[in-house]
Amino acid sequence: GQNIDQPTEMTATEGAIVQINCTYQTSGFNGLFWYQQHAGEAPTFLSYNVLDGLEEKGRFSSFLSRSKGYSYLLLKELQMKDSASYLCAVRRSGGFKTIFGAGTRLFVKA
Amino acid sequence: NAGVTQTPKFRVLKTGQSMTLLCAQDMNHEYMYWYRQDPGMGLRLIHYSVGEGTTAKGEVPDGYNVSRLKKQNFLLGLESAAPSQTSVYFCASTPRRGGETQYFGPGTRLLVL
Repeated sequence: GQNIDQPTEMTATEGAIVQINCTYQTSGFNGLFWYQQHAGEAPTFLSYNVLDGLEEKGRFSSFLSRSKGYSYLLLKELQMKDSASYLCAVRRSGGFKTIFGAGTRLFVKA
Repeated sequence: NAGVTQTPKFRVLKTGQSMTLLCAQDMNHEYMYWYRQDPGMGLRLIHYSVGEGTTAKGEVPDGYNVSRLKKQNFLLGLESAAPSQTSVYFCASTPRRGGETQYFGPGTRLLVL
């Protein structure tokens, strides 16, 4: 079957670090994406992992373990504007289809 | 570049009415997608297209039809709207080459009464 699991909500403090986990089970794997989505807006691309390991991009990092079906998004030096939903998505083999998780709503408090 | 645009931004329909949502992209992307997003659920794929003149069903195609007569446009049709189709609809596009993200339009909010 196909399934992507991520926590529904998380709360963190401004300036802190937060890790959002994602586990997946899909038939065929061709990369994992993280998107940020502010309320009422479209998802925007954050990161892409196709090989195991850590990808760092400024305050955001994403990790992938294909053998464990596991990824996480790490946000450092949290800012209020980071309050948003974070979507984990897996692209299936063949490249046509991407399966999305339900998203993790992150609340950043002062 | 405008990227991906969607028309209309918001619409209210009565049960049984029909409408067409328009998606346009100016990035010369081969692949285009229609998703719906409902509270507590991830983006679910309705239909997709891998090129001009070709379309295919996604996870939740019932009640929807699509057409891709031109490479830059992807139309989503609701022939007889139902309250269960109340949702936010997102169009997305991506180039054929691997490793590229999907680029999303701003979304269309549809309310079916």
